[in-house]
Amino acid sequence: QEQLLESGGGVVQPGGSLRLSCAASGFILSNYGMHWVRQAPGRGLEWVASIGYDGNNKYYADSVKGRFTISRDNSKNTLYLQISSLRAEDTAVYYCAKIMISRAAIGPIDYWGQGTLVTVSS
Amino acid sequence: QPVLTQSSSASASLGSSVKLTCTLSSGHRTYIIAWHQQQPGKAPRYLMKVEGSGNYNKGSGVPDRFSGSSSGADRYLTISNLQSEDEADYYCETWDSNTQKVFGGGTKLTVL
Repeated sequence: QEQLLESGGGVVQPGGSLRLSCAASGFILSNYGMHWVRQAPGRGLEWVASIGYDGNNKYYADSVKGRFTISRDNSKNTLYLQISSLRAEDTAVYYCAKIMISRAAIGPIDYWGQGTLVTVSS
Repeated sequence: QPVLTQSSSASASLGSSVKLTCTLSSGHRTYIIAWHQQQPGKAPRYLMKVEGSGNYNKGSGVPDRFSGSSSGADRYLTISNLQSEDEADYYCETWDSNTQKVFGGGTKLTVL
């Protein structure tokens, strides 16, 4: 069964950085595009970034462009999100999520991780 | 880019049925959408994808009480025989090569 397990969240000061990780199991990560989606406290879901199955195509929401970097290490079955120049409005639970269709550029999410909380506060 | 519109809240009685709506913006009415359920304090869970034709494909383990349908720019999620555990937030999602991914604002379902 597919599973995604995020880690790396925590409390960080404004302007600080963190690296979030998402360990995949139960499927071959290298076959699937992946996303990061976040949810601020009491708010809805917001797409953050995506990466193609081979790592060649990366896309970012305007709100994080230039500050966040998505990457993957298929040999370790792990997805990453480097988050930098953090602001209070980046406080959220960050979820990694898997695209349904193998080797597709786009498509629906069919599995979500349990999330990791990032709190930006001085 | 596509925009998804959902009502902020809905309510229905235990054992009854409810139909949630996700409306696609003008120019995007043929798009496929997906429905996700988020129970309180939990991560979202994929329920199904719904095509403009009304065809839908459910995820593994999703109860038969959940079904999908479509009419024009509207995509529906119908839950029959409502149970207490169906009380949750429901989000619709769509995607394209330019926008990558868009979510609706979510509907909070209360089971009375």
